[in-house]
Amino acid sequence: DVKVTQSSRYLVKRTGEKVFLECVQDMDHENMFWYRQDPGLGLRLIYFSYDVKMKEKGDIPEGYSVSREKKERFSLILESASTNQTSMYLCASSPLDRDLYEQYFGPGTRLTVT
Amino acid sequence: DQQVKQNSPSLSVQEGRISILNCDYTNSMFDYFLWYKKYPAEGPTFLISISSIKDKNEDGRFTVFLNKSAKHLSLHIVPSQPGDSAVYFCAASRGFQKLVFGTGTRLLVSP
Repeated sequence: DVKVTQSSRYLVKRTGEKVFLECVQDMDHENMFWYRQDPGLGLRLIYFSYDVKMKEKGDIPEGYSVSREKKERFSLILESASTNQTSMYLCASSPLDRDLYEQYFGPGTRLTVT
Repeated sequence: DQQVKQNSPSLSVQEGRISILNCDYTNSMFDYFLWYKKYPAEGPTFLISISSIKDKNEDGRFTVFLNKSAKHLSLHIVPSQPGDSAVYFCAASRGFQKLVFGTGTRLLVSP
């Protein structure tokens, strides 16, 4: 069964802290994605990766960085958390197959920055 | 610039009736469209998809219609069930499996 797990369901951090959000998938997927979901804005792509050590900016990369040292793990890093980064963060993965567009999502991490 | 729009933030339907969720897009280069369902405190789950070369795809109670000339797609759920109550996102592909998501429509199906 397809599984994407995220390290925390809820997280509270202070402004200026460095924050790590971890995502692990067990499906041997090449592609991994980080989104944030905000009311009225839907899901917006922050970064994605199509291979180990490869990364591409999404639509809203400012204030974020990512790391993919192993195929199954994709980390989102907030270098210096700010209150406008309070959001629901969703990780997803998909296979490297141009005929398959479906992405599999984790349960999400609700991050609050105070 | 919202390339994929869901203009109805919410929809209420009675059990057994049809639910119709709408989605409009602006980028004519999109070649694949998907619908996801999201329950509270869970990640989105894939529901149904359609390629731009088709105008209809059906899977059980769910049917997606695509009108390329109008840049419009819709999801029909018949009959609607209380368990269908969730937030529905449409998404469009712009190549290499990157998806652009709409803002979501909250569906409430009442018994």
